[in-house]
Amino acid sequence: AQSVTQPDIHITVSEGASLELRCNYSYGATPYLFWYVQSPGQGLQLLLKYFSGDTLVQGIKGFEAEFKRSQSSFNLRKPSVHWSDAAEYFCAVGTHTGNQFYFGTGTSLTVIP
Amino acid sequence: NAGVTQTPKFQVLKTGQSMTLQCAQDMNHEYMSWYRQDPGMGLRLIHYSVGAGITDQGEVPNGYNVSRSTTEDFPLRLLSAAPSQTSVYFCASSYRFLETQYFGPGTRLLVL
Repeated sequence: AQSVTQPDIHITVSEGASLELRCNYSYGATPYLFWYVQSPGQGLQLLLKYFSGDTLVQGIKGFEAEFKRSQSSFNLRKPSVHWSDAAEYFCAVGTHTGNQFYFGTGTSLTVIP
Repeated sequence: NAGVTQTPKFQVLKTGQSMTLQCAQDMNHEYMSWYRQDPGMGLRLIHYSVGAGITDQGEVPNGYNVSRSTTEDFPLRLLSAAPSQTSVYFCASSYRFLETQYFGPGTRLLVL
């Protein structure tokens, strides 16, 4: 069965520091991978996605993610965090069959001045 | 474009009551879906549709019905509300499956 694991429930970083949010997936074939961000009280917004090709993908708001097949991972990174990046981040996988998405449980990011 | 709209924003139900959560999009998207978000559980897919007249079950479909009579609308029906259905519900749409999903603002449901 497909699954997505985000091992870190909550992360706190200082403004200006680098950030890495972890995501591991379980899926038999090459997955379609996504990162979404949810600001408090809002719906989700797509940050970036990976389908194939270059394993390092760039997204909006200065985020990037790297697909590592050998580690079944799709970690999200940002070189310098801004206070406005405080939000909840979700990793998701889309399946080749079944037209369904599976989301991780999310990582809550706090940014301290 | 209004994007994806959801009504109501907040609803309180008693156990056993039924209700419909409305979802509409004005982007001519074929793929629409409903998720529930619970603390520590992330988002779980309830039902989805790949086009008008076509719906299918997601990960947690029990207790919910959907229909897709038009491209624009994708209502979610709770047949007999239970406290376990207390959650925040999100509707999302995309041009096709795997294209960028646009999420509505959510409906917060409390079942007493």
